[in-house]
Amino acid sequence: DGGITQSPKYLFRKEGQNVTLSCEQNLNHDAMYWYRQDPGQGLRLIYYSQIVNDFQKGDIAEGYSVSREKKESFPLTVTSAQKNPTAFYLCASSMGLPSNEQYFGPGTRLTVT
Amino acid sequence: AQSVTQLDSHVSVSEGTPVLLRCNYSSSYSPSLFWYVQHPNKGLQLLLKYTSAATLVKGINGFEAEFKKSETSFHLTKPSAHMSDAAEYFCVAGGTSYGKLTFGQGTILTVHP
Repeated sequence: DGGITQSPKYLFRKEGQNVTLSCEQNLNHDAMYWYRQDPGQGLRLIYYSQIVNDFQKGDIAEGYSVSREKKESFPLTVTSAQKNPTAFYLCASSMGLPSNEQYFGPGTRLTVT
Repeated sequence: AQSVTQLDSHVSVSEGTPVLLRCNYSSSYSPSLFWYVQHPNKGLQLLLKYTSAATLVKGINGFEAEFKKSETSFHLTKPSAHMSDAAEYFCVAGGTSYGKLTFGQGTILTVHP
């Protein structure tokens, strides 16, 4: 089955710890994206990548980092510098053209206490 | 700049009655437009997509949307609501560089028996 996988589904961390969220796709898509979703705020773009070894900041990149060493993988690290990390994180991929729809993974719910 | 406004944050209907979820967009060019659905704690699923081929777009699960340029609207409709339609719906605009999407704030659809 083609698709996007995110793991784990639920993640719990103590404040001050870095945590890495996994995102893998087997759709052969060039572009990948990370979003953060908070209640009542829709989706906000954290980082995106159009090709391997290249990525750009989205609207809320502070406190986050990414890498794109392989076409199929785009992990997101939530660092201790992120002030409010508790949220639902969604990964997506697309062919990358402006008219292309994005395909979303099932999400990871991160809770930091 | 591009923006998407979903005119209702909550819509409540009875099972078997029509559904109307309203969306207006603002863009300096003709954007691609999408409707996505999200069930609780799940990723987003594409319902339908408009890319200028036809103004009336049919999607999955009986949903359709009509693009009206003069009204800058892209409302989502369904003739008869089903209990399984209860979810949050996002109107989304594409067409910017690198496949970035602009999300509306979402409309929560409640379906009563």
